[in-house]
Amino acid sequence: KQEVTQIPAALSVPEGENLVLNCSFTDSAIYNLQWFRQDPGKGLTSLLLIQSSQREQTSGRLNASLDKSSGRSTLYIAASQPGDSATYLCAVGSGGGADGLTFGKGTHLIIQP
Amino acid sequence: DAGVTQSPTHLIKTRGQHVTLRCSPISGHKSVSWYQQVLGQGPQFIFQYYEKEERGRGNFPDRFSARQFPNYSSELNVNALLLGDSALYLCASSLLAGTSGANVLTFGAGSRLTVL
Repeated sequence: KQEVTQIPAALSVPEGENLVLNCSFTDSAIYNLQWFRQDPGKGLTSLLLIQSSQREQTSGRLNASLDKSSGRSTLYIAASQPGDSATYLCAVGSGGGADGLTFGKGTHLIIQP
Repeated sequence: DAGVTQSPTHLIKTRGQHVTLRCSPISGHKSVSWYQQVLGQGPQFIFQYYEKEERGRGNFPDRFSARQFPNYSSELNVNALLLGDSALYLCASSLLAGTSGANVLTFGAGSRLTVL
């Protein structure tokens, strides 16, 4: 059974810092990995999707990497802003469809102005 | 273009009652998935439908059921509500079935269910 862990559970940094969020998964036989953002009481916004054959994806100040063999992914946020404050969720697709995405519990990020 | 729309946004029920949640996917998307998110946890997969057929089911009791209509909208039904069913219920739509390849899931804002 796939399990996804996110470290740290919470993070508070001053504005302008670069930061890294970590995600690990137990079964390396994945099809893809997605990073989502969730604002309090809201739905999920897809940030980046990395297919199993890819090593990284970039969107603006965000960069996500994937190392399937070690079961790890990182989300790098450059030059953080207060508007980046949210919970960031990592999810893996490993069932090809029948199982849905498996999510971690998320990292609660606060960017101090 | 409208995104994934869910209704109702909030609702309160009592134990033992029944609830129906609704989801309209993005235009052109044929797959709808349902997830349950309990406070402080990541979402958990409940169902996936593609072209009106169930394609996947998570580890939830038979009290949970769903269906997809010809216009690709979907309903999630929960019978005999328990206190533990209190959660944010999220609907996601995608072009294709499954969670493989480049098939991005787009989520709605969710329906927050409180069971008293």
